[in-house]
Amino acid sequence: GENVEQHPSTLSVQEGDSAVIKCTYSDSASNYFPWYKQELGKRPQLIIDIRSNVGEKKDQRIAVTLNKTAKHFSLHITETQPEDSAVYFCAATPTHGGSQGNLIFGKGTKLSVKP
Amino acid sequence: DAGVIQSPRHEVTEMGQEVTLRCKPISGHNSLFWYRQTMMRGLELLIYFNNNVPIDDSGMPEDRFSAKMPNASFSTLKIQPSEPRDSAVYFCAIRRVGMNTEAFFGQGTRLTVV
Repeated sequence: GENVEQHPSTLSVQEGDSAVIKCTYSDSASNYFPWYKQELGKRPQLIIDIRSNVGEKKDQRIAVTLNKTAKHFSLHITETQPEDSAVYFCAATPTHGGSQGNLIFGKGTKLSVKP
Repeated sequence: DAGVIQSPRHEVTEMGQEVTLRCKPISGHNSLFWYRQTMMRGLELLIYFNNNVPIDDSGMPEDRFSAKMPNASFSTLKIQPSEPRDSAVYFCAIRRVGMNTEAFFGQGTRLTVV
């Protein structure tokens, strides 16, 4: 089945710097890759997603890139702000087999943005 | 917040007691997921349903855990008997399978077993 690896597990940056979180997946047939942000004590919420027919997507300070050949995708946050501090999860969606339609999550990255 | 309603928000119970967590999703979805979150193990999928039918319950830790979805508007996750290691935040999430769309999470239930 699908397996998602996420790195790093913790990331500390200075306000204004960029942050990059990387994920790899194992099932080449996976076709949907969302990123979730979870603030302390709250539920995970979608911040951006990308589908396998697209290589890059951007939304203001957040961008996601997808390399289907290498089976990895990354989240890029530019001009980081203290309110970006949270745990970020990547996920992949298998398209066949018993896990079809499921969302397989990475272990998460705790991002700390220091003022 | 009205997308998925979970209850209770917090539950403290004694070891050995039965615990029932509830999830009420909005209409329009056809998949429902139960996740468990801990510091050590992150977000773990316990079970998910497509059109009210359990599809994959391989994540259910052991026979003490059971889940039901009697209709499209309600699901329960039951732990009997509960143990201290079951302490975690349990999330219910919904999604439309067949469309590459996001999963909406409920606010979660924080379970503490003492």
